[in-house]
Parts: sequence; C-alpha cells; structure tokens
Amino acid sequence: ETGVTQSPTHLIKTRGQQVTLRCSSQSGHNTVSWYQQALGQGPQFIFQYYREEENGRGNFPPRFSGLQFPNYSSELNVNALELDDSALYLCASSLKTGSSYEQYFGPGTRLTVT
Amino acid sequence: AQSVTQLDSQVPVFEEAPVELRCNYSSSVSVYLFWYVQYPNQGLQLLLKYLSGSTLVESINGFEAEFNKSQTSFHLRKPSVHISDTAEYFCAVSDLRGYNKLIFGAGTRLAVHP
Repeated sequence: ETGVTQSPTHLIKTRGQQVTLRCSSQSGHNTVSWYQQALGQGPQFIFQYYREEENGRGNFPPRFSGLQFPNYSSELNVNALELDDSALYLCASSLKTGSSYEQYFGPGTRLTVT
Repeated sequence: AQSVTQLDSQVPVFEEAPVELRCNYSSSVSVYLFWYVQYPNQGLQLLLKYLSGSTLVESINGFEAEFNKSQTSFHLRKPSVHISDTAEYFCAVSDLRGYNKLIFGAGTRLAVHP
C-alpha cells in the first residue's frame, strides 16, 4: 500500500499571492486532515474532510480553504498570503471507523512567504 | 477544549542512558493519547497510542508510555537511548467525540550524544 504523499516539497510565495498544496491519501483512507506547523511549534489543526465534505475546522480564517476529491486526494488553498503563513503544512489521512482512528502523516510542504 | 503541555523543550542525554519526556494534558472529556516522532525534514510518525485498556503502552523500538488519569499525564520513557533516537517528539490528544482532531504539544527535542 502506498503512503501519504504531498506536493510540492518546498514553495516560495510572495505576500498577497495564493497557493495550492496537494495531498494524496493512503490507499483506502476516506478522511484527510490538514495541519500547520510553524517553526519550533507543534502542528495546529486547520480542517478535516470526510467523504468530500468539511468535517471540522480549527481556528483558521476563511482564506484557508480545502477540497477533497472522489479519489480522496485533497487540496489546501490559502489566499492573500501573509508572512505568518510561512510554515510546514502537513496532511494526514485516515480511515474513519468508530470514534477514533489512526492518522498517517505525509512528509509535508514547506511554504515560505516573503 | 483540550490542551497539551510538554514540560521540556529540549532534553540532552548520552547514548545508552535512560530518558523520560514529560507530557501533561488538560481536558474536560475522556481523550485518546498519542506520541509522534519527527525526524529532521520529515513528517510525523506515530510512535505509540493509548486508546483504552492497559495504561502502559509500548512501541516496537523500545519506547513506552504510561497513561496516568489522576495526574493527567502520558510520559514517554526509554531505558536506553541510541543516537538514532535523536528527533523531535510530540505528545497529542484527541477527544472521543466526532472527528479525530489532534491537539499537539509544542514538542520536545531529544538530542542523544555519544
């Protein structure tokens, strides 16, 4: 089975621009979560998608948006980039069974906003 | 709401020495508990988890953690560390309701010296 993959690995954008990050879930997983990890901090939950619908959101503004596709791959879109958006963005896929399930993380996309 | 406190930002230790990484959490509801490890320039890997049952959980590479409900702690221990254990370690919790959002601590940097 394939693991979670993310693209691109690194990205440099200018303040005010828009960015799209991509994630391919582990085979068979129907849930994807996105996290932001600023330098020196733990990951912060952005949102989660289950069967193509948003299934929970953290304390992030609406300019952070996402999509999940029928094949369970996912995108994270960030509009009007700010310097503080510079971080490692992690996606995690899981198979929702019962009330808890293990999340498998991808290697992340390092976003730098200048 | 839940929160996680990792009491040490950095833990230096010599090879083959024992180590304990401390984690305390706060929650008004029952939670699941996790330890993740992050090697340089990589994503997160699940090290071990407590969902229910025995309060002592073990990983395949010699780490163990004990859930202490009265002290709201989930400390990570290893009796003898290796150079290869050098990494960032994150404690995380998720509640038993709805979606499985992970709340992470700020991380502990374990540096193993020869």
